[in-house]
Amino acid sequence: GAGVSQSPRYKVAKRGQDVALRCDPISGHVSLFWYQQALGQGPEFLTYFQNEAQLDKSGLPSDRFFAERPEGSVSTLKIQRTQQEDSAVYLCASSSHSLAGAGELFFGEGSRLTVL
Amino acid sequence: AQTVTQSQPEMSVQEAETVTLSCTYDTSESDYYLFWYKQPPSRQMILVIRQEAYKQQNATENRFSVNFQKAAKSFSLKISDSQLGDAAMYFCASLSSGGGADGLTFGKGTHLIIQP
Repeated sequence: GAGVSQSPRYKVAKRGQDVALRCDPISGHVSLFWYQQALGQGPEFLTYFQNEAQLDKSGLPSDRFFAERPEGSVSTLKIQRTQQEDSAVYLCASSSHSLAGAGELFFGEGSRLTVL
Repeated sequence: AQTVTQSQPEMSVQEAETVTLSCTYDTSESDYYLFWYKQPPSRQMILVIRQEAYKQQNATENRFSVNFQKAAKSFSLKISDSQLGDAAMYFCASLSSGGGADGLTFGKGTHLIIQP
């Protein structure tokens, strides 16, 4: 596609439910990042993929968070047993370069998760 | 670890005037990148301007320019001839150039209001 596409745009979950957020990066982009943006805050790094390899998951806040990119294109961020503190906008970004900083990051519009 | 500080939660400027958004950062890296991103209400982050730390010359993109003071660890954004379409959240971000697995570190953002 022309840009990074994320779905769903909005998700409301009851506390304890599992959710899955999808990211379709720009075709051919090697690098894929997930960020979490709480209300009124800047985005915070969650995890990074280079093709299908998850090279950094140091930003995932707990073991309830899991991300995958099995074929090196589409990525899914899964949150198990959601908690209210998980409420945020989840941003996906992709880049044509494998080295961070070497290429521009293109962001999706995000998935807004609200946990009741 | 890198930190980015934006001390201005909100700035307001008259259309056609010039405004400067402040950003300071802290890093132990010798080589890194600095960015300004714009996030309109639709939430899609757009790269405004980027600076490689090893370059002394300040980056410029049309009406947008930076004042990069490496010793002071300061990276301010100047917007000249402000337009209504410039209204958005602006985030300053830093990125270590080593390894490629690190994500961007963002500040908390500055909400820019353009007065017609």
